[in-house]
Amino acid sequence: EIVMTQSPATLSVSPGESATLSCRASQSVGSNLAWYQQKPGQAPSLLIYGASTRATGIPARFSGSGSGTEFTLTISSLQSEDFAVYHCQHYNNWPPRFGQGTKVEIK
Amino acid sequence: EVQLVESGGGLVQPGGSLRLSCAASGFTLSRYDMHWVRQVTGKGLEWVSTIGSLGDSHYPGSVKGRFTISRENAKNSLYLQMNSLRAGDTAVYHCVRGADVDGFDIWGQGTTVTVSS
Repeated sequence: EIVMTQSPATLSVSPGESATLSCRASQSVGSNLAWYQQKPGQAPSLLIYGASTRATGIPARFSGSGSGTEFTLTISSLQSEDFAVYHCQHYNNWPPRFGQGTKVEIK
Repeated sequence: EVQLVESGGGLVQPGGSLRLSCAASGFTLSRYDMHWVRQVTGKGLEWVSTIGSLGDSHYPGSVKGRFTISRENAKNSLYLQMNSLRAGDTAVYHCVRGADVDGFDIWGQGTTVTVSS
């Protein structure tokens, strides 16, 4: 089974700054990777799929990159509504697995 | 509006059973891969099961043989039958739609399952 590891666990960022989140797969998942945002008390929502394609309605300040085993989610110019937990997920094979999440908090 | 609404969670003793339901609206559930994903409070997400649009099903080893995913097309609903429940199954269970392209694009708010004596 492929293990997904996200870093850091918590990222403290000031509003207006950018944030870079990492996700590593224990073996190659190609570009079969998604990112989700989860706000407190809410269900996750799809941000990025195919490692770099923004889901419908997602602002351009969210960008995904990477392939194989190393992936990055970059949020440029953080807005107040962006402070949340971010999860990566591979769907390359069974079982599709999630990372443990990165919390982006206000510095 | 495209929406998923779960129900059926509750408190159950170890070894007991529970059946979760998920009512879909705004789309035809049978046309999509559908999933159950669970989350322990404050922890990460764990995929629990999938039923494909062709009716194929998949499970991780942690629930295989204990959980069964199914759907009822006439009711546009998804189900998760959970047997031989353990304390480690305690979590919020989300019903999730597989996107047309990739990823999981529509999530229900979840229903809470607590396994405790």
